[in-house]
Amino acid sequence: GAVVSQHPSWVICKSGTSVKIECRSLDFQATTMFWYRQFPKQSLMLMATSNEGSKATYEQGVEKDKFLINHASLTLSTLTVTSAHPEDSSFYICSASLPYTGGYGYTFGSGTRLTVV
Amino acid sequence: QKEVEQNSGPLSVPEGAIASLNCTYSDRGSQSFFWYRQYSGKSPELIMFIYSNGDKEDGRFTAQLNKASQYVSLLIRDSQPSDSATYLCAVNIWISGSARQLTFGSGTQLTVLP
Repeated sequence: GAVVSQHPSWVICKSGTSVKIECRSLDFQATTMFWYRQFPKQSLMLMATSNEGSKATYEQGVEKDKFLINHASLTLSTLTVTSAHPEDSSFYICSASLPYTGGYGYTFGSGTRLTVV
Repeated sequence: QKEVEQNSGPLSVPEGAIASLNCTYSDRGSQSFFWYRQYSGKSPELIMFIYSNGDKEDGRFTAQLNKASQYVSLLIRDSQPSDSATYLCAVNIWISGSARQLTFGSGTQLTVLP
């Protein structure tokens, strides 16, 4: 149980275009979703935290106008990379806070490899 | 600044040996600690979590927590080549109200040599 399905698993896009990444919680309600970015040989860096029905909270240095996060339902959160550039190429991972764990349990999506050419 | 630090690695151990991975954290208010394993190009997968001081064992894995020293470690006994991966230490840090978030260390790359 407690699966988060993330799509697409990989995407290649042209510079200047936008890309949307979806994360769906399949068998639970994800009130809080976290979005991470991971560059090669580096750790996961939290980009933003989204709560269902409210605006996302972005970490310092993350451009909220560039990385649009929507968490309109308890089972779906999306990250849209707008006007993507090659430096946005990275591994993007979503994570949901698990219910009934007091905020201590998390499950991760399978990740999306974004390559901007 | 709230940080999680790990051995820079890489760490190589022979098959069958014990691999020891270490992590320190700066936020004394942290209450839960996680070890994740990440294979190249894949998402992290949870190995263990620990809340209380002392040792917690699960199969070949033992997590050790010392809150006074702000130190958490992971021991892997009888290491296997399939254990070769990057191991991420993560700390659940309180943000505000009831909100918490995971903060990850930089990871230690482990190679188990056949």
